[in-house]
Amino acid sequence: KAGVTQTPRYLIKTRGQQVTLSCSPISGHRSVSWYQQTPGQGLQFLFEYFSETQRNKGNFPGRFSGRQFSNSRSEMNVSTLELGDSALYLCASSPTPNTEAFFGQGTRLTVV
Amino acid sequence: TQLLEQSPQFLSIQEGENLTVYCNSSSVFSSLQWYRQEPGEGPVLLVTVVTGGEVKKLKRLTFQFGDARKDSSLHITAAQPGDTGLYLCAGPPGGANNLFFGTGTRLTVIP
Repeated sequence: KAGVTQTPRYLIKTRGQQVTLSCSPISGHRSVSWYQQTPGQGLQFLFEYFSETQRNKGNFPGRFSGRQFSNSRSEMNVSTLELGDSALYLCASSPTPNTEAFFGQGTRLTVV
Repeated sequence: TQLLEQSPQFLSIQEGENLTVYCNSSSVFSSLQWYRQEPGEGPVLLVTVVTGGEVKKLKRLTFQFGDARKDSSLHITAAQPGDTGLYLCAGPPGGANNLFFGTGTRLTVIP
């Protein structure tokens, strides 16, 4: 069974630009969560999607958004990038919400 | 204030030594999960503990869930360099709909 796939693995963007990250969950998993990981803040919850609906949202500004498609694939978008958005963005999939989470390798975003 | 506090934050030990890391909260969790993360990779699930007082073993790793389901510990026996990584605890506190992650313990095992 294939694991969680995140694309791209690495990304360099300029301040003010926008970026879209993609996550393909494990086959059969319908819940997808996104996390931001930085050395200073650790793993911070961004949002969770289940059956194309956002169930929860963390304490991040509106520049961070996401969506889930009917095949459970998910994307997250960050607009008007700031230097502080540089981080490892992790996607996790679960069969259903609040069950064990399986992570992808992450997308390393660098904002310059 | 973090919902899940892990200690110690950093730990550097010699190969063959034993160690324990802790995950503490003032909130009750319906379950707690432990993950290990290596540099540049996503966290990998090690174990889930569900019942208060539960003990689970995974080779040289022993996980325990506190009786009150507010804390957990991870004990590693005879640590090896391959155990090096960031250890994270996580769980959904009562009534929450998403996982909260602990502050992490960064373990280095020196050959």
